[in-house]
Amino acid sequence: DAKTTQPNSMESNEEEPVHLPCNHSTISGTDYIHWYRQLPSQGPEYVIHGLTSNVNNRMASLAIAEDRKSSTLILHRATLRDAAVYYCILRDVGTYKYIFGTGTRLKVLA
Amino acid sequence: EAGVVQSPRYKIIEKKQPVAFWCNPISGHNTLYWYRQNLGQGPELLIRYENEEAVDDSQLPKDRFSAERLKGVDSTLKIQPAELGDSAVYLCASSFSGGAGEEQFFGPGTRLTVL
Repeated sequence: DAKTTQPNSMESNEEEPVHLPCNHSTISGTDYIHWYRQLPSQGPEYVIHGLTSNVNNRMASLAIAEDRKSSTLILHRATLRDAAVYYCILRDVGTYKYIFGTGTRLKVLA
Repeated sequence: EAGVVQSPRYKIIEKKQPVAFWCNPISGHNTLYWYRQNLGQGPELLIRYENEEAVDDSQLPKDRFSAERLKGVDSTLKIQPAELGDSAVYLCASSFSGGAGEEQFFGPGTRLTVL
C-alpha cells in the first residue's frame, strides 16, 4: 500500500492562507489523493480529493505536483474552526482501502 | 439529511466482558466501513461491506471481533471478550458505492474504555 508523509504539526494565523504539504513518492498511477480532517471528538470529515489535476471546492484547493509525488492542501483563509488534524490519504482503485497516517495537527492562532 | 448514526457514544466495560456497537449509515449508501482509531493515530480499517457482503475483513481480529450487516443497512460490531488493548474509538463510515474517487461519510464514533 502506498504511503503518505506529513508534518506532525503546523501553525497559522487566523485569516491567512495555509498550505499543508503531503509527500507520496510511491503513489501509483491509479491512486486517488484524498484529504480529510478531524475535529476534536468527531469523526473524519471529507475535504477534497483529486487524481491528476488541481481541484477546488468550497472548503479548499488541492494542488497536485506534475509527477504526483506530492500534493498540497490549501485553505485560503484559515479560521479558528479549521483547527483540526488533516489527513492526506491515497486510495487505491483496486483495493479501495484508505490508509490513514498520523496526519498534520493544524493550530490556528487568533 | 441525517448523517451516519452510531450508538452508544461512550462505553466503559471491564475486561473479558462483551460489547457491541451499532451503526446506521446514510440512506442509500451501499458500502459501510468500520474503523478503529487509537489515541494519537489515524483510523485503521477493520472491515468493509458492500451491501450484506463483507468484501474486506483482512484487518478484523477474528478471534474476538465479529460484525454483521443484515439486510444491507444497519451494522453491528461486537467484541467478545474485550481486552485492555481494545480501548479506542470505533468509527463507522458509509459511501454510496465504495469507489476509489468517492467520499466517505463518518459517524461520530463510539469511545470504548476497557478497565
